[in-house]
Amino acid sequence: SAVISQKPSRDICQRGTSLTIQCQVDSQVTMMFWYRQQPGQSLTLIATANQGSEATYESGFVIDKFPISRPNLTFSTLTVSNMSPEDSSIYLCSARTSAYNEQFFGPGTRLTVL
Amino acid sequence: AQKVTQAQTEISVVEKEDVTLDCVYETRDTTYYLFWYKQPPSGELVFLIRRNSFDEQNEISGRYSWNFQKSTSSFNFTITASQVVDSAVYFCALSVTDSGYALNFGKGTSLLVTP
Repeated sequence: SAVISQKPSRDICQRGTSLTIQCQVDSQVTMMFWYRQQPGQSLTLIATANQGSEATYESGFVIDKFPISRPNLTFSTLTVSNMSPEDSSIYLCSARTSAYNEQFFGPGTRLTVL
Repeated sequence: AQKVTQAQTEISVVEKEDVTLDCVYETRDTTYYLFWYKQPPSGELVFLIRRNSFDEQNEISGRYSWNFQKSTSSFNFTITASQVVDSAVYFCALSVTDSGYALNFGKGTSLLVTP
């Protein structure tokens, strides 16, 4: 298995500001993903974080709004830019282990935008 | 396109009852993976099981069991002798190679186990 940590665990932000969320995995993984979980909803994929290249975004999510970095095989960041109250969600990082195609999740970052 | 349907939005049972959570999936891929996750009130997503499309064997882990049937595109999850600690939202998810193994989640089933 992989142990994933995220920082911050929660934050309250003002409209128009940006927040960067960090995701650290305790071992090298092939793939990392970012998901959003809006209140009372299921998880929606934002993007696949590709090591050394630009992230692959899902329909409805754009790089200007959610820039992602993945400088190595254990670390990734997601920035939520120019935030609005609609961005209030839990943001979760996940990692896929190639050995067994298991996917584990970080504890999430609970974001509230005022 | 892939789709996961969890038709049961909420289930309420009394402790020690057995409960089955349904999951129906759609995909045209012949190679795919199915998952179940538990999300307790604390919010963390806990991995329960992964099953690949070539392995239709049912699995049992303690009070948990999973029934995978390709003929009906279902991957149902049963909790035997439920306990209050089983109260959580349970998500079924599907991943395929073409989507880069990203997970496509169902809407989740909220399970409440009362004493």
